[in-house]
Amino acid sequence: ETGVTQTPRHLVMGMTNKKSLKCEQHLGHNAMYWYKQSAKKPLELMFVYNFKEQTENNSVPSRFSPECPNSSHLFLHLHTLQPEDSALYLCASSQGTSGSGQETQYFGPGTRLLVL
Amino acid sequence: AQTVTQSQPEMSVQEAETVTLSCTYDTSESNYYLFWYKQPPSRQMILVIRQEAYKQQNATENRFSVNFQKAAKSFSLKISDSQLGDTAMYFCAFSGGTGNQFYFGTGTSLTVIP
Repeated sequence: ETGVTQTPRHLVMGMTNKKSLKCEQHLGHNAMYWYKQSAKKPLELMFVYNFKEQTENNSVPSRFSPECPNSSHLFLHLHTLQPEDSALYLCASSQGTSGSGQETQYFGPGTRLLVL
Repeated sequence: AQTVTQSQPEMSVQEAETVTLSCTYDTSESNYYLFWYKQPPSRQMILVIRQEAYKQQNATENRFSVNFQKAAKSFSLKISDSQLGDTAMYFCAFSGGTGNQFYFGTGTSLTVIP
């Protein structure tokens, strides 16, 4: 595997289910990100991890719980989601999170989530 | 706060022709980076081109080039000799200030017509 991979690619879940999204980067990067992509809206940054430490949490509801066990893996644990949480969830990684935005982000293919 | 605006939700271009996608942004930062990403129907977001704000020279990558107008806060993408594989959503993104937070536009859906 190369680049950034995400599993599963598609997920359907009920509002009472618990599921997890997985992201793995094979680029030797130190920073990883979760984004939510909804139709006709800009990508929304959810969480940022740098060297396994969470550095950003953009007011994301607690029904989304991230986990970063090491610099190569990032999880998004989901529980008691709402239908409006249906979206494409993208993972990205970058070398670091140095200032002035010089770190290019590389994206995974995404997980298409449908909450019924 | 940083904002990125893409005013063209959809565009189309004939194969082999040239098309320009518009992007404007708003920021008070003096040092920042701008990006164009491509998201084909398979959904993998791919970096197309990147521009550093302190560089006056416009970035180019093969058939892709940008017109960066810093004073006007404009960052358009020109695709020359359009190919069918260029059909995708194109997102303009800004990153600057502390951390590495990216701000994306709403995207332009480009269709290349055979």
